[in-house]
Amino acid sequence: GESVGLHLPTLSVQEGDNSIINCAYSNSASDYFIWYKQESGKGPQFIIDIRSNMDKRQGQRVTVLLNKTVKHLSLQIAATQPGDSAVYFCAETGGATNKLIFGTGTLLAVQP
Amino acid sequence: KAGVTQTPRYLIKTRGQQVTLSCSPISGHRSVSWYQQTPGQGLQFLFEYFSETQRNKGNFPGRFSGRQFSNSRSEMNVSTLELGDSALYLCASSQGLAGRIQETQYFGPGTRLLVL
Repeated sequence: GESVGLHLPTLSVQEGDNSIINCAYSNSASDYFIWYKQESGKGPQFIIDIRSNMDKRQGQRVTVLLNKTVKHLSLQIAATQPGDSAVYFCAETGGATNKLIFGTGTLLAVQP
Repeated sequence: KAGVTQTPRYLIKTRGQQVTLSCSPISGHRSVSWYQQTPGQGLQFLFEYFSETQRNKGNFPGRFSGRQFSNSRSEMNVSTLELGDSALYLCASSQGLAGRIQETQYFGPGTRLLVL
């Protein structure tokens, strides 16, 4: 399988628990944020996004929280399942560009 | 709708050679971006094409180039390959709606390039 990072932060949770993955973004001018999930051997898969005029957005089993004051983004996954095991990346963009700046990623390991 | 497709999926080259990678965006998407993913540097932006024009460029040397065709398909080329170019090259597409810049980008599976 593909290695997306040799020293990724790892979050280990039990199946059925809630997971919280955190991300500190870099640019205070960023106004659009996306969470991606990347499984081994695959490209990043869109999970959920949020714009800077919001501080919370909910999807199916996932919630993204945005704190612009401290430039912090989090992804909450409810009732984590083994299929959620993957590397999760936050990405930011802003201004007159579609360029995504990615975080280093967090490996989520779900224990059955 | 079919997703973003990339060809080839795997490629082995030797130093000094050149390589061309191809990306077909989601039908109707007009913007295509390219990213390089390595264990050491993570995901890094290479460039973005929109309406056959390069709209943004990352901090990569001139050996990395790209183009986009009228059907929105895109290719990227790397000349004079170096060992450090070994990476997963990812293509992402977005709708490219008029007046919008930040749009959701959908990624393909990538092309794994190994330079020996």
